[in-house]
Amino acid sequence: ETGVTQSPTHLIKTRGQQVTLRCSSQSGHNTVSWYQQALGQGPQFIFQYYREEENGRGNFPPRFSGLQFPNYSSELNVNALELDDSALYLCASNSGGAGFNEQFFGPGTRLTVL
Amino acid sequence: DQQVKQNSPSLSVQEGRISILNCDYTNSMFDYFLWYKKYPAEGPTFLISISSIKDKNEDGRFTVFLNKSAKHLSLHIVPSQPGDSAVYFCAAMTTDSWGKLQFGAGTQVVVTP
Repeated sequence: ETGVTQSPTHLIKTRGQQVTLRCSSQSGHNTVSWYQQALGQGPQFIFQYYREEENGRGNFPPRFSGLQFPNYSSELNVNALELDDSALYLCASNSGGAGFNEQFFGPGTRLTVL
Repeated sequence: DQQVKQNSPSLSVQEGRISILNCDYTNSMFDYFLWYKKYPAEGPTFLISISSIKDKNEDGRFTVFLNKSAKHLSLHIVPSQPGDSAVYFCAAMTTDSWGKLQFGAGTQVVVTP
């Protein structure tokens, strides 16, 4: 069973640029969530995708957008990067649905915005 | 609006002793509480959970206690081992949230020999 993988591991961008982060879900999982973890803070929920549709969004501006593909892999896109976007971006997958639903996390992508 | 709070950023404990990590929450609608452990350069990994209808859940060296009236939970690790040195996150979710988690800021635990 393959776990959640993310690419790239690290990324450096400048303010105003655009970035795309990628995530491959754990085998058998059809739901993916993205979290932003700023330094010294806990992960904050950005949005979730279920079967290629957005299924909930946290308090993040529209320049944070996502996609989920038929194979359940996912992308997080951030436009017009700001210095405060520097963070660890975590992807998590699960099998979807209500009830207790453990999320399995990838190792994250460390984004630095200069 | 921080609904889950961990007020202790760090904890140092001797090997073999008990580690107690605390977490407070404000949303009485949470149905499940979870603890995640995170090593550097790795994603958080699930450790233990508790349903809001329980007051205790135990798994080996790890026990979580829930006090709903105080909106407080704690994680006990007994005995602490050097491999337990990591950041521990408290998280919460509702039944209808499809697993979306609200996290606390984390507590860095260091277990010394």
